[in-house]
Amino acid sequence: GQQLNQSPQSMFIQEGEDVSMNCTSSSIFNTWLWYKQDPGEGPVLLIALYKAGELTSNGRLTAQFGITRKDSFLNISASIPSDVGIYFCAGQPESGGYQKVTFGIGTKLQVIP
Amino acid sequence: EADIYQTPRYLVIGTGKKITLECSQTMGHDKMYWYQQDPGMELHLIHYSYGVNSTEKGDLSSESTVSRIRTEHFPLTLESARPSHTSQYLCASSGLSWETQYFGPGTRLLVL
Repeated sequence: GQQLNQSPQSMFIQEGEDVSMNCTSSSIFNTWLWYKQDPGEGPVLLIALYKAGELTSNGRLTAQFGITRKDSFLNISASIPSDVGIYFCAGQPESGGYQKVTFGIGTKLQVIP
Repeated sequence: EADIYQTPRYLVIGTGKKITLECSQTMGHDKMYWYQQDPGMELHLIHYSYGVNSTEKGDLSSESTVSRIRTEHFPLTLESARPSHTSQYLCASSGLSWETQYFGPGTRLLVL
């Protein structure tokens, strides 16, 4: 099946720092999604991207749909302790055909106060 | 705030027992999904439904079964639980924007 490579797999940052993470695939994707999962909870959708080159913000979060349609990036500015969690990229591959999304392995973010 | 509920939140059960994990949503969404997630790992789709009386198997093979008799309800059943079924099970639903999925809090299952 389709595979999404997400990096980094984990990161420790100081409160106030900016964070960048990305997701790549060998296949073309039609839609890219970024979710955050808090411990013991289900993922919550942060940003959805629908067009190549699209740049979308949600508060301190900004995500981009890569021009090649094979990657996406998520940036978090001025991190705060509540940003802690696992960030998953997800997307619908062009060849998917079933209205299903494929998830990456996640980036675990730890923020040091 | 998404209105999708899962019960139980935690379940510890012995091998061989039959279990049903409940999932309900009050958003009137046609599409519902079940994912399996091991700790620190990605989500794998095991079942999905486009509407009442529609169910399909997902990308990850699973011994569980599902039913969709009502729009708001999408239960998952394991006829005979085994330790290999130990995992977290997440239910989700989506409406017109099918890719925008709303997730429930999950059920953590431990089979002894």
